[in-house]
Amino acid sequence: EVQLVESGGGLVQPGRSLRLSCAASGFTFDDYAMHWVRQVPGKGLEWVSGIRGNSAAIGYADSVKGRFTISRDNAENSLYLQMNSLRAEDTAFYYCVKSDCGGDCYLLDYWGQGTLVTVSS
Amino acid sequence: DIRMTQSPSTLSASVGDRVTITCRASQSINSWLAWYQQKPGKAPKLLIHRASTLKSGVSSRFSGSGSGTEFTLTISSLQPDDFATFYCQQYYSYSSTFGQGTKLEI
Repeated sequence: EVQLVESGGGLVQPGRSLRLSCAASGFTFDDYAMHWVRQVPGKGLEWVSGIRGNSAAIGYADSVKGRFTISRDNAENSLYLQMNSLRAEDTAFYYCVKSDCGGDCYLLDYWGQGTLVTVSS
Repeated sequence: DIRMTQSPSTLSASVGDRVTITCRASQSINSWLAWYQQKPGKAPKLLIHRASTLKSGVSSRFSGSGSGTEFTLTISSLQPDDFATFYCQQYYSYSSTFGQGTKLEI
């Protein structure tokens, strides 16, 4: 059974940093691209960033480019999102999501339960 | 970026009804479209990919159609568990985008 468990969310002041983690199990982690998708509470979904199975980044949404960095540790079956220079508009649930292939693919077939990031002073 | 527009934003229906949700893309995405269902407080779940392919384990009451720029999700004979918010997603281009969602309510 595919399991994705996010951690690292919380309350952070504007301009500060936060690192999200996602522990994956139930599949061969390095065979699949992984993504972060966020959702402002009560609003729609926004793709944030993706990374190929070989650890090359697929890309970033314009809204986070230059501030967020995606990475993965295939030995630890873990996905990360380093978020710097956080803004109030980054407040959202952040979902760790598995893709259905290892390369540049955006079909999101399994989602974690999400972790809430709140950016506020 | 490719813009995805869903209609309606809210849909009221009853158990047993057949309903259709529409998703339009701002440019052709061939059949690179997925549908997700999200219940309150839960993560989205993939229902359909390649516009019309049902994910394994998803009820056959769900069906998808379309190609190019116009797509539909149809749910036949609504069940109480079907009431949720549905999102379409294009995965044709770099920087995948979602529709704004359709809330299906009783």
